Amino acid sequence: GQSLEQPSEVTAVEGAIVQINCTYQTSGFYGLSWYQQHDGGAPTFLSYNALDGLEETGRFSSFLSRSDSYGYLLLQELQMKDSASYFCAVRDTDTGRRALTFGSGTRLQVQP
Amino acid sequence: NAGVTQTPKFQVLKTGQSMTLQCAQDMNHNSMYWYRQDPGMGLRLIYYSASEGTTDKGEVPNGYNVSRLNKREFSLRLESAAPSQTSVYFCASSEGDRATFFGQGTRLTVV
Repeated sequence: GQSLEQPSEVTAVEGAIVQINCTYQTSGFYGLSWYQQHDGGAPTFLSYNALDGLEETGRFSSFLSRSDSYGYLLLQELQMKDSASYFCAVRDTDTGRRALTFGSGTRLQVQP
Repeated sequence: NAGVTQTPKFQVLKTGQSMTLQCAQDMNHNSMYWYRQDPGMGLRLIYYSASEGTTDKGEVPNGYNVSRLNKREFSLRLESAAPSQTSVYFCASSEGDRATFFGQGTRLTVV
């Protein structure tokens, strides 16, 4: 099966940079995804890394090292609206169903 | 473009009652999913459908059944609700490995 570990909470100030780490254990690997979820809302897709390296989308970047089974999400120029939970996820490959397995989430609190 | 639509948004059931959660997507995706999310936790897969006519159990399937009615619709049924099934339920769909799209969720309370 799959397991993912990420910090439970991170606090940062507006305008700062924050990094949310994720380590995973999988028997097969199709890529590492990141999702954002505001309180009471649905998860929304942020980024996907299938290969090693950095993917940048505006203020958000995501990094993957397959050899280290490690990735991170980098949020720059933090805004109050970035206060949310962030989940890393990998595809379930054990049974071939290719559904996402999620970490427990990192709650980001952005302070003024 | 509606994406993934779930109904109802909120539901309160008594223990032992049954209900069906409806889900439809308009993105022509082959894969559809049902997840549950408990407070402070990640999402856990209940059932999965890779394509019309196929379904597969996920991590926490006990107490649930699903129907993939056609390519657009994937329903989740609770035959005899239990308090342990109090949760937020999300339907989702995807095509390929890049992004999975979620509905707005159904907040279910079983008393």
